[in-house]
Amino acid sequence: GENVEQHPSTLSVQEGDSAVIKCTYSDSASNYFPWYKQELGKGPQLIIDIRSNVGEKKDQRIAVTLNKTAKHFSLHITETQPEDSAVYFCAASISFGNEKLTFGTGTRLTIIP
Amino acid sequence: EAGVVQSPRYKIIEKKQPVAFWCNPISGHNTLYWYLQNLGQGPELLIRYENEEAVDDSQLPKDRFSAERLKGVDSTLKIQPAELGDSAVYLCASSPRTGGPYNEQFFGPGTRLTVL
Repeated sequence: GENVEQHPSTLSVQEGDSAVIKCTYSDSASNYFPWYKQELGKGPQLIIDIRSNVGEKKDQRIAVTLNKTAKHFSLHITETQPEDSAVYFCAASISFGNEKLTFGTGTRLTIIP
Repeated sequence: EAGVVQSPRYKIIEKKQPVAFWCNPISGHNTLYWYLQNLGQGPELLIRYENEEAVDDSQLPKDRFSAERLKGVDSTLKIQPAELGDSAVYLCASSPRTGGPYNEQFFGPGTRLTVL
């Protein structure tokens, strides 16, 4: 089955700097890669996703890149703000998100004011 | 639009006791998922429903876990008897069937279970 690895497990950045989180996946059939943000006591919330036919997607301060050949994808957050502090999870799906999502182990991002 | 509702939010029980979790998905969402999230880990799928049919329960420990989704709306996940290792957050998610190939999964806040 699919295996998703995520690095780093913790990340601290100064407010205003950029943060990058990286994930690798094992199943070349994976075609959908969402990123979720989870705040304390809440469920994961989708912040951005990318499909296998796209190499990069951007939404304001958040961007995601996908390298299908290397089987890795990354989340980039620019101009970080204190409210970006949370745990971020990458995930992969072989069924366009309709079935099982395989999640990474999470990255705890702390923005230092 | 109301989100996925789960109750209770927190539950503390003694080992060997039964426990049940309830989920109300977003209105109109046909697909419902139960995920298990251990501390410091990402969610792992336990079971997926399409309407009232459990189409993927391969990761559900059937000796002690059971689930149902009567009438294809609300769902209940049960553990009987609970073990110490069952302490975790149980997340419910739902997604629509829009006809398109991509479907976002919307998560509820979860039920944090502590087994003593």
